[in-house]
Amino acid sequence: AQKVTQAQTEISVVEKEDVTLDCVYETRDTTYYLFWYKQPPSGELVFLIRRNSFDEQNEISGRYSWNFQKSTSSFNFTITASQVVDSAVYFCALKSSNTGKLIFGQGTTLQVKP
Amino acid sequence: IAGITQAPTSQILAAGRRMTLRCTQDMRHNAMYWYRQDLGLGLRLIHYSNTAGTTGKGEVPDGYSVSRANTDDFPLTLASAVPSQTSVYFCASSPGARGGDTQYFGPGTRLTVL
Repeated sequence: AQKVTQAQTEISVVEKEDVTLDCVYETRDTTYYLFWYKQPPSGELVFLIRRNSFDEQNEISGRYSWNFQKSTSSFNFTITASQVVDSAVYFCALKSSNTGKLIFGQGTTLQVKP
Repeated sequence: IAGITQAPTSQILAAGRRMTLRCTQDMRHNAMYWYRQDLGLGLRLIHYSNTAGTTGKGEVPDGYSVSRANTDDFPLTLASAVPSQTSVYFCASSPGARGGDTQYFGPGTRLTVL
């Protein structure tokens, strides 16, 4: 069975702090894809990143970085120098190349206080 | 280019009534999806369509039906609404149904069934 676990339900930080959102996944597939989406208070879902199972290179995009480790089945997301605009619900998701179905974690609510 | 549009934005519905949620995309994506979002459960797949003319059941299909008469439109129908169908509904699309295809989401429809 495929599963995504985001153990942190809510995180609260003060602006400019670094914060890491954890994501642990389960799959028996050898080829799969991992995603992060952001849901700001306005409600829409915004795609942030996609990672392939055969590419373990970490990725950095501005203040955002992602750490993919197959050995621990984790795909963690770090925001450096957080800002109030980063306040949102963040979802990690897994998609198997076999089924094509996107499986979401429960989401982590991040609150960045000024 | 609008991407994905959903209508209505929100709706309050009496139990037992029929309701169709509309979804239209202008990206010429082959695959489309309907999800519901409930607090603490993340997003769960209701129905999907890999290409025009075909549909399939997701994780929580009971009480919902879909059709895909053309590439752009993917309406979701609740034949006889029940209070447990109170949720936020998201439509999504992707270029194809392959594992590596990223899904992009519409703005959502907030449905309340009384």
